[in-house]
Amino acid sequence: SQQGEEDPQALSIQEGENATMNCSYKTSINNLQWYRQNSGRGLVHLILIRSNEREKHSGRLRVTLDTSKKSSSLLITASRAADTASYFCTQGGSEKLVFGKGMKLTVNP
Amino acid sequence: DTAVSQTPKYLVTQMGNDKSIKCEQNLGHDTMYWYKQDSKKFLKIMFSYNNKELIINETVPNRFSPKSPDKAHLNLHINSLELGDSAVYFCASSQKGGRATNEKLFFGSGTQLSVL
Repeated sequence: SQQGEEDPQALSIQEGENATMNCSYKTSINNLQWYRQNSGRGLVHLILIRSNEREKHSGRLRVTLDTSKKSSSLLITASRAADTASYFCTQGGSEKLVFGKGMKLTVNP
Repeated sequence: DTAVSQTPKYLVTQMGNDKSIKCEQNLGHDTMYWYKQDSKKFLKIMFSYNNKELIINETVPNRFSPKSPDKAHLNLHINSLELGDSAVYFCASSQKGGRATNEKLFFGSGTQLSVL
């Protein structure tokens, strides 16, 4: 299965704090992708990290990848209320992207 | 100028009815998908079409039939709707599909189907 599993399932923080979400996967990957889903909306691609990369940045987002542990983490720094959403990870490089149930992040103003 | 648009956004219907959801993408992508998101937020792939050809057909009841008149459109027709079909259905597209590396998906905003 190419499904990633996010951890924790839900996280509630205060605005300005950092949020870290973890993803574990089972099979070898070509790349790993993170998506965000705002309430009532479709998923939006955030960042892709290739299997030969260990860390990647995009604005306030920082993604790490540890292929030996088959895990990835997404760090959102200086969180904002607008970051409140569900976050999904998925393995890329196959015919289909398989998603789990995501992780719900709530950023309280 | 929405990239992936699907209609309707909300669909409320009675059990046993037949309904369709339409999806269009203006990104020039070759591959389109239908995903179903249940009440627990699991997002499951249903179908995938590449240049009008069905390439992924997950374990989905025969009551669900996708149709792709051209590569920019992928519609989903559902016959004899059941209570368990209630969910949010998302259309998505990707540039090439298949085993292309570094592909990302572009999603529509979803169709919330409620079967009464």
